[in-house]
Amino acid sequence: GAVVSQHPSRVICKSGTSVKIECRSLDFQATTMFWYRQFPKQSLMLMATSNEGSKATYEQGVEKDKFLINHASLTLSTLTVTSAHPEDSSFYICSASGHSTISYEQYFGPGTRLTVT
Amino acid sequence: AQSVTQPDIHITVSEGASLELRCNYSYGATPYLFWYVQSPGQGLQLLLKYFSGDTLVQGIKGFEAEFKRSQSSFNLRKPSVHWSDAAEYFCAVGANKLSFGAGTTVTVRA
Repeated sequence: GAVVSQHPSRVICKSGTSVKIECRSLDFQATTMFWYRQFPKQSLMLMATSNEGSKATYEQGVEKDKFLINHASLTLSTLTVTSAHPEDSSFYICSASGHSTISYEQYFGPGTRLTVT
Repeated sequence: AQSVTQPDIHITVSEGASLELRCNYSYGATPYLFWYVQSPGQGLQLLLKYFSGDTLVQGIKGFEAEFKRSQSSFNLRKPSVHWSDAAEYFCAVGANKLSFGAGTTVTVRA
């Protein structure tokens, strides 16, 4: 149980375009979803926390207008990278936690590799 | 503020040998502690967690970790390493928000 999926697994886009990444909880209701960014050989950096039906809370230094997060349902959150630039190339990972799972335990998706050319 | 330190960036171990990965944390209250493993290009898989109770925690794949409050540590151990254990290991602390250590890369030699 507690499976989280991400789509797409890999995406290549041109500089200046926008790309949307989906994060779904497949077998539980995710009241909270988290978006992380991971650079090569580095740790995960929390970008934002989103609660279903509320605006996301962004970490310091993360541009909310560039990284749009929507958590419209208890099973889906999306991250849209707007006007992408090569420096946005990274591995993006989502996680989810919810009232039907063990408190404070986050379940991670498989990640999305974004390459901006 | 919460934080995690993983002192070892890279560890090489022979197959069949024991493995210990160090983790020190800083947290204002009783910590919620986690160990995750990540294979290249993949997401994170939870190995084990500590919330309360028995300070020696058993996880999946033969891993265990011991919570030592006096040392602010949560070290991960495995008695006999398999080649498939080669991966990146992350220690994390937190409740609603997790803070991750920098990770330890484990290489297993035949």
